[in-house]
Amino acid sequence: QVQLQESGPGLVKPSETLSLTCAVSGSSISSGYYWGWIRQPPGKGLECIGTIYHSGSTYYNPSLKSRVTMSVDTSKNQFSLKLSSVTAADTAVYYCARHFDYGGTDDAFDLWGQGTTVTVSS
Amino acid sequence: DIQLTQSPSFLSASVGDRVTITCRASQGISSYLAWYQQKPGKAPKLLIYAASTLESGVPSRFSGSGSGTKFTLTISSLQPEDFATYYCQQLNSYPPTFGPGTKVEIK
Repeated sequence: QVQLQESGPGLVKPSETLSLTCAVSGSSISSGYYWGWIRQPPGKGLECIGTIYHSGSTYYNPSLKSRVTMSVDTSKNQFSLKLSSVTAADTAVYYCARHFDYGGTDDAFDLWGQGTTVTVSS
Repeated sequence: DIQLTQSPSFLSASVGDRVTITCRASQGISSYLAWYQQKPGKAPKLLIYAASTLESGVPSRFSGSGSGTKFTLTISSLQPEDFATYYCQQLNSYPPTFGPGTKVEIK
């Protein structure tokens, strides 16, 4: 079955860049889905960071756009997130997820990774 | 961004109860609405998309309805494994946004 697995440092210093990777197994990342990152600060709700298509087309949340870069590596079947100039407010569980959009209203994030906790602290 | 509100924010119920959660959008979103269930320490799980389409493998006691600005998630007979936090999400316009969540706890 299709699985997503996040990886990356659990601790990042303020002002540095957070880098995470999501490995996709059981399906090709070029299979027609979008791939996204969502985060959840401790005890809070969910925030969509952005999504990327296998072609490299990206859609970023305007609130984070100036600091976000997403990329896809089809040869490794994985996609990545970089968030620059981090502060304590970026401390969260970061999830990668598959985003299907079949046209019309058939649109949702149907598969999620287990999540990885990133703490921003010196 | 489109804002979503959920009511109630907290719900205490018993096994077997019928439970309804409401999600309201700040502007019309047609049926571009999904519902997710999240248990502590776990990733969200998709339950319903397109406001009323049940995701494969999700029990039929879950149902969704609504369009425009008002949506509901109903659990017809609450089971022990349903105690969790439920989030609605709109995908009508970018960025997709989530509601603040409704926590369903055991009475």
